[in-house]
Amino acid sequence: QSALTQPPSASGSPGQSVTISCTGTSNDVGGYNYVSWYQQHPGTAPKLMIYEVSKRPSGVPDRFSGSKSGNTASLTVSGLQAEDEADYYCSSYAGSNNLVVFGGGTKLTVL
Amino acid sequence: EVQLLESGGKLIQPGGSLRLSCAASGFTFSNYVMNWVRQAPGKGLEWVSTLSGGGESTYNADSVKGRFTISRDNSRNTMFLEMENLRAEDTAVYFCARGSQHAYWYFDLWGRGTLVTVSS
Repeated sequence: QSALTQPPSASGSPGQSVTISCTGTSNDVGGYNYVSWYQQHPGTAPKLMIYEVSKRPSGVPDRFSGSKSGNTASLTVSGLQAEDEADYYCSSYAGSNNLVVFGGGTKLTVL
Repeated sequence: EVQLLESGGKLIQPGGSLRLSCAASGFTFSNYVMNWVRQAPGKGLEWVSTLSGGGESTYNADSVKGRFTISRDNSRNTMFLEMENLRAEDTAVYFCARGSQHAYWYFDLWGRGTLVTVSS
């Protein structure tokens, strides 16, 4: 069982927006502004899409945005495109003892 | 080219030992915290272990403490994961991942992974 809770699936039509939630506790998501999001296409390595709750690494389209409220973080993908279909994982810093925790992943389907 | 390449994964019996390697290229390896993250078949990501740039500080997930040891050889731009007393639940693709310069708990470069299968 993953430390962070994500919905197993999400979907949207091309051009629409989809939001994926990630719920943790005050020991991880709620305690730090250190949430990140990763995109993983089948059979490939994950790719960092969002860090520090809402910042985008160079090269990540601004269609991807992140936010956080309390113990829940969210990833929003706007203007859905076919290539956005992938698994998305949230992650949070969780302190010096159990450094990083991940969510179970959300499979995003572009209808 | 900036890349990470894992190797060493194979089929191993329960209780066995294995060493994984991660070869880095295209960046100054010693300047970065490095990590291992694993993914069991059909499952999500699980952080395993983290090692500082100079090798002086390590962090390990509770699930592998006392069994897995992370290390690095900066002269060879290579990181290792020594795994002992392997269990069926250690079966996974093991990724090496670079810690971001923003903060080392963000992983901004990943290898393709190497598969470890623990089974009799």
